[in-house]
Amino acid sequence: DAGVIQSPRHEVTEMGQEVTLRCKPISGHNSLFWYRQTMMRGLELLIYFNNNVPIDDSGMPEDRFSAKMPNASFSTLKIQPSEPRDSAVYFCASSTEKQGSHEKLFFGSGTQLSVL
Amino acid sequence: AQKITQTQPGMFVQEKEAVTLDCTYDTSDQSYGLFWYKQPSSGEMIFLIYQGSYDEQNATEGRYSLNFQKARKSANLVISASQLGDSAMYFCAMRDLYSSASKIIFGSGTRLSIRP
Repeated sequence: DAGVIQSPRHEVTEMGQEVTLRCKPISGHNSLFWYRQTMMRGLELLIYFNNNVPIDDSGMPEDRFSAKMPNASFSTLKIQPSEPRDSAVYFCASSTEKQGSHEKLFFGSGTQLSVL
Repeated sequence: AQKITQTQPGMFVQEKEAVTLDCTYDTSDQSYGLFWYKQPSSGEMIFLIYQGSYDEQNATEGRYSLNFQKARKSANLVISASQLGDSAMYFCAMRDLYSSASKIIFGSGTRLSIRP
């Protein structure tokens, strides 16, 4: 089991550039979550998918952020245009989902994003 | 709406002592799950322990136990015989178990530092 795989591990970009973060969930998991972690705001849930369908994107900060899950094995989080305040660690996590189940989240290693 | 509160931003504990990390939650759901995660300085998120709202016994996993008081809506993590390697951020999290696809929200975390 390779775990949740995120890329890149580190991204440094200039303000105004487009940034794309990638995530491969654990095979067989049907839910995927994107979190953002900062010192000021802690771990914020941005969006989550179930069976490739976005369920709740109320945490997405603004229209500059978008996320897709074209298939069960891949998701992207895109920021366009990026701003310095987007600098954070972005985590992807996956789990299996069944009603009444207590499946825990498996996290990727995160992407450290720095927008200059 | 669901909410998780961790009121201890930081704690210092002497090695080999027991430590309790506080977590209170707010939810209108009848069926929910509570999780604790550890985040060492390396950044990865490590699952520690889970408690279901209908579980009659408090959860235990090795040196970790969860002091679950449903009426008070608290789910404190107890670490017995603390070790230097326990120094890390600790996050309490919650999810609704009624839905087949539910989000997991996190508290703001507690930074635990173990003194030798």
